[in-house]
Amino acid sequence: AQSVAQPEDQVNVAEGNPLTVKCTYSVSGNPYLFWYVQYPNRGLQFLLKYITGDNLVKGSYGFEAEFNKSQTSFHLKKPSALVSDSALYFCAVRDMGAGKSTFGDGTTLTVKP
Amino acid sequence: DVKVTQSSRYLVKRTGEKVFLECVQDMDHENMFWYRQDPGLGLRLIYFSYDVKMKEKGDIPEGYSVSREKKERFSLILESASTNQTSMYLCASRKTGNYGYTFGSGTRLTVV
Repeated sequence: AQSVAQPEDQVNVAEGNPLTVKCTYSVSGNPYLFWYVQYPNRGLQFLLKYITGDNLVKGSYGFEAEFNKSQTSFHLKKPSALVSDSALYFCAVRDMGAGKSTFGDGTTLTVKP
Repeated sequence: DVKVTQSSRYLVKRTGEKVFLECVQDMDHENMFWYRQDPGLGLRLIYFSYDVKMKEKGDIPEGYSVSREKKERFSLILESASTNQTSMYLCASRKTGNYGYTFGSGTRLTVV
């Protein structure tokens, strides 16, 4: 079985400050890990993924994520937040042998000017 | 630009109606998925398909069925709509392998 936890419903940061959105996962094998973003009244957009290799992966819009196998975490980060980053963020995991992804409940990020 | 297109953005249907939600992708992806999104519950998988005429139940298939007669089209069917099926429905597709999903814009269904 595979599962994802996003422990924070909401994250608030000031523009220009670094941001972190947390995600932990559980899989029986090796994980594929993903982050998606959803802007208001839109579908989800792919941000980045971890498959193998470097633990720090870079994605769209200046976001990056750090894979930590010992802590089973895949936190999303950005060095300097923008107001336009305000959105709903979803972490997802897929066991390497599975066809479907399991999503977390989502974290609402609000960046204030 | 690659796309997943859902036929309706908003739908209002009556209890007991049979409802069809259509999804078309133009990327020649093998895999297609239907999720529903509800506040505080994230995305829950209803059904998915690996290939034409193939389907697999997801986590919440009750009250739904699907059809995939052509590779590019994946239809979700609510056999007899109920108010607890009021939700945002998201279609997604992906290429086989270590790829992420491409999502459609969603259909917000209200059952009255």
